[in-house]
Amino acid sequence: ETGVTQSPTHLIKTRGQQVTLRCSSQSGHNTVSWYQQALGQGPQFIFQYYREEENGRGNFPPRFSGLQFPNYSSELNVNALELDDSALYLCASSRSSGTGNEQFFGPGTRLTVL
Amino acid sequence: QQQVKQSPQSLIVQKGGISIINCAYENTAFDYFPWYQQFPGKGPALLIAIRPDVSEKKEGRFTISFNKSAKQFSLHIMDSQPGDSATYFCAAKARNAGGTSYGKLTFGQGTILTVHP
Repeated sequence: ETGVTQSPTHLIKTRGQQVTLRCSSQSGHNTVSWYQQALGQGPQFIFQYYREEENGRGNFPPRFSGLQFPNYSSELNVNALELDDSALYLCASSRSSGTGNEQFFGPGTRLTVL
Repeated sequence: QQQVKQSPQSLIVQKGGISIINCAYENTAFDYFPWYQQFPGKGPALLIAIRPDVSEKKEGRFTISFNKSAKQFSLHIMDSQPGDSATYFCAAKARNAGGTSYGKLTFGQGTILTVHP
């Protein structure tokens, strides 16, 4: 186990709703990255938070937003849910946003949008 | 240019055999190449990683071979065991314009490995 925890484990929402997913980083880590993993695909980078600021973003629309708190835990918020948002959402923590830092993943939150 | 292409999609190996998974990339700014193992219902777990300044790295039964000129790297699993049956992902991370990575991992599509007893 990596020490990265995520909640909830599973979530079912309907189209148009909003959802908040939570992540607690591993002790000693100050950087959190979020990924979306569709069924049968590799994870896709959503964004990264370092010292409570977003410092990197993938090709996701603004309705995907996040926060990082002083204790380095993080939230992913998705507004106006669409059917294609159904996926496993993973967070990964690392020591810093610098070169080569290993990212350790949590177990993920399985989101189903009906 | 950000893609990482992984092959094969699926692989079946007998217990004790060698499993080989290949990845290719185009972005020369990639400077860190990890491999992850993922079991159903779990998050990816870091197996082993390599930087382009070395051509091979070995940890236990897992070896990464890296060919910088061909922009290819591969994972070899020696003495494959049924417990190795999982999905394997290669990934790559790029330097940003300032010379330090900002953390985005670009993943391959994954290889489903099945090791028969």
